[in-house]
Order: sequence, then C-alpha cells, then structure tokens
Amino acid sequence: AQSVTQPDIHITVSEGASLELRCNYSYGATPYLFWYVQSPGQGLQLLLKYFSGDTLVQGIKGFEAEFKRSQSSFNLRKPSVHWSDAAEYFCAVITGGGNKLTFGTGTQLKVEL
Amino acid sequence: DVKVTQSSRYLVKRTGEKVFLECVQDMDHENMFWYRQDPGLGLRLIYFSYDVKMKEKGDIPEGYSVSREKKERFSLILESASTNQTSMYLCASSSGRLGETQYFGPGTRLLVL
Repeated sequence: AQSVTQPDIHITVSEGASLELRCNYSYGATPYLFWYVQSPGQGLQLLLKYFSGDTLVQGIKGFEAEFKRSQSSFNLRKPSVHWSDAAEYFCAVITGGGNKLTFGTGTQLKVEL
Repeated sequence: DVKVTQSSRYLVKRTGEKVFLECVQDMDHENMFWYRQDPGLGLRLIYFSYDVKMKEKGDIPEGYSVSREKKERFSLILESASTNQTSMYLCASSSGRLGETQYFGPGTRLLVL
C-alpha cells in the first residue's frame, strides 16, 4: 500500500539555522507529493507540491523541497529558520481518485531563539 | 482565496449523543474530505465525496457517516458519540482535477465525555 513516512517526530533548531525535514514515500508510479504546515490551533496550509518536471520545488515562506526518486524521498528545506516557522509539518502523497491524500504522522518543529 | 469553514471550533458532547459537524466551501469544489487528527497518528481520512450525494469510505469510517446534499456543504455525523471519538476533525476541499491542492478548514476540536 502507498504510504508516507516522516521519521522525525520532533526537531529543534536555533533561529537562523538551516532546516531539513525528512519524508519518504512508498508508491509504485510517479507520486504527487505535498508538504503542508499546521500552525498551533489552525488548519493545514499548503507549502509546496511536486508532480513532475524539475525535482527542486519552491514553495511559500522560503521553503523548498527536492524529489529524489532513487531514495524515494521528498525532503523539505529552508536555509534560515524564523521563530514563526515553529509548527507541525506534514508530508502527503495522492493515493487514490479524487485527490485522496495519505499523510505522514507529522514532524513538530521547535525554534529556539 | 478559497475559504473552507467549519461550524464550530470547539464542541463538547456526551457519550451516546448524535453529533453533526458541518463544513462549507465557497470555491465550487467537486471533492470534499473529512479527516481526524490525533497526536502521533497524523491525519486519517474518514470519508470523502466526489460530488453531491456521492460518498466514499476512507481509512477509518467506522462510527461515522456523512451527507452531501449540496455541492458546497459536507456534513460528518457521529450517530452515537463515544469517548474514543474525542479528536480534532478537519474538513478539506479540492477541485476535481488530478493533483489539485486540498484546502483545509480551521478544524473542530471535539471532546466526548
């Protein structure tokens, strides 16, 4: 079955440091991949998505992600983290008709000032 | 901007009560989704709908039903609420085109006593 794994439950970084959140997928065909962010008490907001083409995808808020088929990964990166980036981050893949998504279990990001 | 609204941000119900969670979207989207979110489990799909009066079971439909009488409105029903249905419930919508973004509401935090 198609699935998404986010191996890191919690990550803490210092403000201004670089960030990489890991996402591995299991899917037979070319996947449609997404990263969402959830700020405390809020719904989910799309950061970026990948369907095909350039494997480096730019998103909102200075985030980017790189699709690596050989590693079945779609890791999210940001060169310099801001305190406002503290949130929970979810990787997801389309796994069915109607844009049905399967989500990873999320990574909680804490930013130290 | 797409707007997805949910009828309540917080809800407290008693075991055995019938509970209705309402979701409305204003973008004429074909697809609508109900998820529940629990710590360490990420988002899990309960039900989704491709069109009016159409519904499909997600990964955890037991104990839930849905209704979609109008395109913009998708209701989640807990026929007889139980304490294990205490959770955050998120509604989302997307257009019918493959790979389109799901837009999320702010969520309803339900406590069943």
